[in-house]
Amino acid sequence: EIVLTQSPGTLSLSPGERATLSCRASQSVSSSYLAWYQQKPGQAPRLLIYGASSRATGIPDRFSGSGSGTDFTLTISRLEPEDFAVYYCQQYGSSPPPFTFGPGTKVDIK
Amino acid sequence: QVQLQESGPGLVKPSGTLSLTCAVSGGSISSSNWWSWVRQPPGKGLEWIGEIYHSGSTNYNPSLKSRVTISVDKSKNQFSLKLSSVTAADTAVYYCARDPLANFAFDIWGQGTMVTVSS
Repeated sequence: EIVLTQSPGTLSLSPGERATLSCRASQSVSSSYLAWYQQKPGQAPRLLIYGASSRATGIPDRFSGSGSGTDFTLTISRLEPEDFAVYYCQQYGSSPPPFTFGPGTKVDIK
Repeated sequence: QVQLQESGPGLVKPSGTLSLTCAVSGGSISSSNWWSWVRQPPGKGLEWIGEIYHSGSTNYNPSLKSRVTISVDKSKNQFSLKLSSVTAADTAVYYCARDPLANFAFDIWGQGTMVTVSS
């Protein structure tokens, strides 16, 4: 099983600031198979990024993804009030289970 | 646009079987997508349970495989989850989600349904 670790656990920032979230895998992950989600309280997760760097439909361009191998990054260039939420990374791989999620990073208002 | 809606009992007794259904609207379950179940215990992270293709092919999380059955009903455009021998550890919000072929990510989610295991 590929284990995903996310850091930091909590990121306290102000609106307008840049957020950099990290996702590290225990084994190499194909870039095609790394995704990022946003989840707000009481809501289902929303797909932001797939294939490590492709934005999902309707996702603003302030969200960007990068990385390869075992290290991946989600960057929010300028935080908007609606961006304060929990962010999860997710990978797909050949080791069962095929889908695993990271523990999440909470972005809260400083 | 495609929408997913979970339904089923919100309370299940310990040792019983949890049964949920996900109705697909705005599109066909026979399209080129896998259909998954994901759960989230209160205050915790996400856990993938398993998936099904409209052909009936399935994949399960090994940690749950002995207790999980996912099935598809193409005539009703829905798929279902059964989890047997439940305990309090199975208390969670259960989501159904769509995984388009070759995306390997979940692009559409249901709103989720809370299932509590308690006597």
